[in-house]
Amino acid sequence: DTGVSQDPRHKITKRGQNVTFRCDPISEHNRLYWYRQTLGQGPEFLTYFQNEAQLEKSRLLSDRFSAERPKGSFSTLEIQRTEQGDSAMYLCASSFQGSATYEQYFGPGTRLTVT
Amino acid sequence: AQSVTQPDIHITVSEGASLELRCNYSYGATPYLFWYVQSPGQGLQLLLKYFSGDTLVQGIKGFEAEFKRSQSSFNLRKPSVHWSDAAEYFCAVGATNAGKSTFGDGTTLTVKP
Repeated sequence: DTGVSQDPRHKITKRGQNVTFRCDPISEHNRLYWYRQTLGQGPEFLTYFQNEAQLEKSRLLSDRFSAERPKGSFSTLEIQRTEQGDSAMYLCASSFQGSATYEQYFGPGTRLTVT
Repeated sequence: AQSVTQPDIHITVSEGASLELRCNYSYGATPYLFWYVQSPGQGLQLLLKYFSGDTLVQGIKGFEAEFKRSQSSFNLRKPSVHWSDAAEYFCAVGATNAGKSTFGDGTTLTVKP
């Protein structure tokens, strides 16, 4: 078990560019979550999947954000036409629906800087 | 709607002293409660969790937390802090259907030598 991995760890982009982040969950986990964390704040929920189905999206997830989880394995989070306000740490977590404890295991995050 | 309040933004304690970090939650039913620790530039590591049963839960690294339903609190404690405990600590409440978690804004712990 290698844990949740995220790629890239850091991304610097210019305003208006599109960026895509990848998350690989723990292999047997069927739920995958995306959170955003800005400086001095706790993680804020963005969206989550059970297998390939996207079950909930936060109002924070504007039309410029889209997430996918094809085949219920890895997930991608795309931000189109980035804005400076998108600068944050994007965290991915996974869990196993059906376990007794519902623990979410977090990846190391992708830090996005929009210049 | 679920919410979490961590009243203390920053706490400083001396190494070897005891620690208590406060957490108050709002949730309509029996909550699932968590404490996480985050070191600079890192993801979150789960310290402990409460789902049901004994209201005093033990976690990793010598931490414990007590669930008090009457006070809507889930405070984190450690009898003797180590310099390596310096980090940011987040309390979170989760939905019973294992959906999203809602986090507090965190408490930064500084440990004086």
